[in-house]
Amino acid sequence: NAGVMQNPRHLVRRRGQEARLRCSPMKGHSHVYWYRQLPEEGLKFMVYLQKENIIDESGMPKERFSAEFPKEGPSILRIQQVVRGDSAAYFCASSPPREGSHEQYFGPGTRLTVT
Amino acid sequence: DAKTTQPPSMDCAEGRAANLPCNHSTISGNEYVYWYRQIHSQGPQYIIHGLKNNETNEMASLIITEDRKSSTLILPHATLRDTAVYYCIVRGAYNQGGKLIFGQGTELSVKP
Repeated sequence: NAGVMQNPRHLVRRRGQEARLRCSPMKGHSHVYWYRQLPEEGLKFMVYLQKENIIDESGMPKERFSAEFPKEGPSILRIQQVVRGDSAAYFCASSPPREGSHEQYFGPGTRLTVT
Repeated sequence: DAKTTQPPSMDCAEGRAANLPCNHSTISGNEYVYWYRQIHSQGPQYIIHGLKNNETNEMASLIITEDRKSSTLILPHATLRDTAVYYCIVRGAYNQGGKLIFGQGTELSVKP
């Protein structure tokens, strides 16, 4: 059973470009979470999605950032008009839908560098 | 979710037990204690969780005090590969939200 997959693993964008980060959850998992880790800082929650629904986006910046988890295909974190401050590691996690499930399984992350 | 307090760093000799403390004095009755770790910028890894009873799995043991205001993660025979940042997180039951709030954690260095 493959783990959580994220691609690309490394992404370089110039200021003003768009960044698209993809996350494929573990098989059978319908809950996806995105976290961001700025250089020399801790992990910060961004958004929690279930299939076709955003459940909690309390950690998302108000502008330029969006996330989706369509019925088919991976979850996408989209950053428009990137700035240098967006340079960070972005981690995706997934969990199964059953009640009482506690663990979140994390992917290897996407390292975004904005030049 | 209750706030947690952990020492910023600890050392442990290889082969010895590593005991990582966590204080969560404001924990409420339906909140679980979770432990995750992050090895050198990799994705975090779930270790163990508990509500009020002590728990053990193949990775570690979790000891929760009777008043639930603190806990200790025990790695019984630490190896160099256990060098990582360990996060203690308190969170409500599954259907209350899902997100994990990471603090600064404890940076554990296992030395030969």
